[in-house]
Amino acid sequence: GDSVTQMEGPVTLSEEAFLTINCTYTATGYPSLFWYVQYPGEGLQLLLKATKADDKGSNKGFEATYRKETTSFHLEKGSVQVSDSAVYFCALTGNNAGNMLTFGGGTRLMVKP
Amino acid sequence: DGGITQSPKYLFRKEGQNVTLSCEQNLNHDAMYWYRQDPGQGLRLIYYSQIVNDFQKGDIAEGYSVSREKKESFPLTVTSAQKNPTAFYLCASGRPPGETQYFGPGTRLLVL
Repeated sequence: GDSVTQMEGPVTLSEEAFLTINCTYTATGYPSLFWYVQYPGEGLQLLLKATKADDKGSNKGFEATYRKETTSFHLEKGSVQVSDSAVYFCALTGNNAGNMLTFGGGTRLMVKP
Repeated sequence: DGGITQSPKYLFRKEGQNVTLSCEQNLNHDAMYWYRQDPGQGLRLIYYSQIVNDFQKGDIAEGYSVSREKKESFPLTVTSAQKNPTAFYLCASGRPPGETQYFGPGTRLLVL
């Protein structure tokens, strides 16, 4: 079945550092790929998405490129802020009629001033 | 404002009790979903519904039940058969296939 693997956290960075959170996936066909962010005690918010190979999703300074050849969708940001501290989830929807999301385990990011 | 609401924010369950979590959306989405999140872990699918009066089991449906009598509403009942119900429950909605799912703020269920 489909699966998503994320790097384990926590990831601790200083403000203005460069961020990379790795995400790789296993799926048949051509899944859509997503990054969601969860702030403490809240639900998930869509951060960005890509629906086909070589697409780049971007939002709020975050970017991720759909790489089919390496089955990856790594999240990057050039300069993190304290307010970016949260848990980040990589997810995909495969070729299932119900459009169910398959999630990675989440990566906690902590940004220190 | 369009969105998804969940209530209550916190819910306490006594031994042997059934409790119901509410989820309402005004996004006109056909599909709705319930996920369970345990501390430090990802989300697991409990149930989903693609249309009114139809729903399907997800990966961890045992001990849970749902109904979908209206497009806007998808309540989740945690039954006494669910022996480890303490978790954060998230409802989502979306338009399949391949479209974004939008999440509610969640309900935290605790056992007394």
